[in-house]
Amino acid sequence: DTAVSQTPKYLVTQMGNDKSIKCEQNLGHDTMYWYKQDSKKFLKIMFSYNNKELIINETVPNRFSPKSPDKAHLNLHINSLELGDSAVYFCASSALEFGNTEAFFGQGTRLTVV
Amino acid sequence: AQKVTQAQTEISVVEKEDVTLDCVYETRDTTYYLFWYKQPPSGELVFLIRRNSFDEQNEISGRYSWNFQKSTSSFNFTITASQVVDSAVYFCALSWNPNNDMRFGAGTRLTVKP
Repeated sequence: DTAVSQTPKYLVTQMGNDKSIKCEQNLGHDTMYWYKQDSKKFLKIMFSYNNKELIINETVPNRFSPKSPDKAHLNLHINSLELGDSAVYFCASSALEFGNTEAFFGQGTRLTVV
Repeated sequence: AQKVTQAQTEISVVEKEDVTLDCVYETRDTTYYLFWYKQPPSGELVFLIRRNSFDEQNEISGRYSWNFQKSTSSFNFTITASQVVDSAVYFCALSWNPNNDMRFGAGTRLTVKP
C-alpha cells in the first residue's frame, strides 16, 4: 500500500495544453502539499492545504490551481502549459504542521512540456 | 529570514569512507524543526530524521548520525563506512510554528564509488 500516490509518474505534453496531476494519501493526514523540484534539484513549496482549506499559496502563476475534493486528495491542475513548467512535482502529506510530524512524499510526477 | 544552506553541492567518496554533510540554518523562531531527506536516483524523497529545536541530543541510527548544534545553527549529517547505496541527493530542511511550510536546502549530491 502506497502511503502517498501520485498519477501519472511521467507526463509529456505540448505547450498550451491543460493537464492535471492527481494525489491521494491513505495515511489519514490532515495536511497536504504540492512541491516543485526544478532541474537543479531545488525544492520549493507551491501550495499547502489543511482539511481541504488552502493555507499556503506561494507565488505561483494563476495557471496552477490546486483542488482538494476531500482531505485525502489534493490534485494539481495546470492551464496553458509553458516550457518553464517542466519539472518534477511532488505531493506530500503530514499529520499536522510539518514540525509536529514528518512529511511523507509521493514518488513525484515528471512533467515535460515540449 | 527562514533559510537553509547546504554549502556542499557535490561530494565524492570511496566506499567505506566516512562523510559529513553540512547544514546551516537561519530562523527567527525559537521553536523550529529540522529534517533530513534522501533522494536516491530513483527520485523519491525518503524521510531520514526530524529534530525539534528543544532537543539538542545527537542521534545515531546504524551508520547514520546527526549532530545538532544550536550555537552554530548547524544540523550536520554523518554517514559512517559509506556504501554505494548511499549515493543520493541529501536535503536538509527547516520548518517552524505556526506554519505549514518546509524550506529545503539546495541539496548535496553524494557519490560513493566502489
